[in-house]
Amino acid sequence: DAGVTQSPTHLIKTRGQQVTLRCSPKSGHDTVSWYQQALGQGPQFIFQYYEEEERQRGNFPDRFSGHQFPNYSSELNVNALLLGDSALYLCASSLVPGGATEAFFGQGTRLTVV
Amino acid sequence: TQLLEQSPQFLSIQEGENLTVYCNSSSVFSSLQWYRQEPGEGPVLLVTVVTGGEVKKLKRLTFQFGDARKDSSLHITAAQTGDTGLYLCAGGGAWSGGGADGLTFGKGTHLIIQP
Repeated sequence: DAGVTQSPTHLIKTRGQQVTLRCSPKSGHDTVSWYQQALGQGPQFIFQYYEEEERQRGNFPDRFSGHQFPNYSSELNVNALLLGDSALYLCASSLVPGGATEAFFGQGTRLTVV
Repeated sequence: TQLLEQSPQFLSIQEGENLTVYCNSSSVFSSLQWYRQEPGEGPVLLVTVVTGGEVKKLKRLTFQFGDARKDSSLHITAAQTGDTGLYLCAGGGAWSGGGADGLTFGKGTHLIIQP
């Protein structure tokens, strides 16, 4: 049973560029959440997708957007990259939307903005 | 804004010792999850507690959810070098402030077990 998979594992981008990160949820899961984890910090919730719609959003600017496909996989897009966007981006999948359920995480995508 | 505060931030002890890490909040959560994270990897779920006062044991690890569902603790007995890692608590379904906002994570406890 494949767990949550993310691609790419590492990425280097230049300030002002745009980036797309991808996530395939754990088999049987229909809800995908994205988190940003800065060095030395806990993950921070970006947004959650269920039934191909953004259901919840954390305190992140509109430069962060996403998409969920009919097969439940998801993309995170970040426009106009800033140095401060450098972080580990984590995708988590679960069965039930909302926070009160178990989330399983992928290995993350390490984004470096230079 | 719901906050989860973890303490201590850093802990270094000898193999065989016992330890407890804490996770506290002013918000009520419908569930509390503990994760362990290795450098460069995603968090791995250890346990979920949902009932106030609940205690769960996972081998040498004991997890407790506070009666008021605002705090939790993780106790490790006879720590081993393999327990080294970042331990994160995460609250789900916060009720105060209205609605759930995904999981709210603490900053974590960096645990080092020395041989």
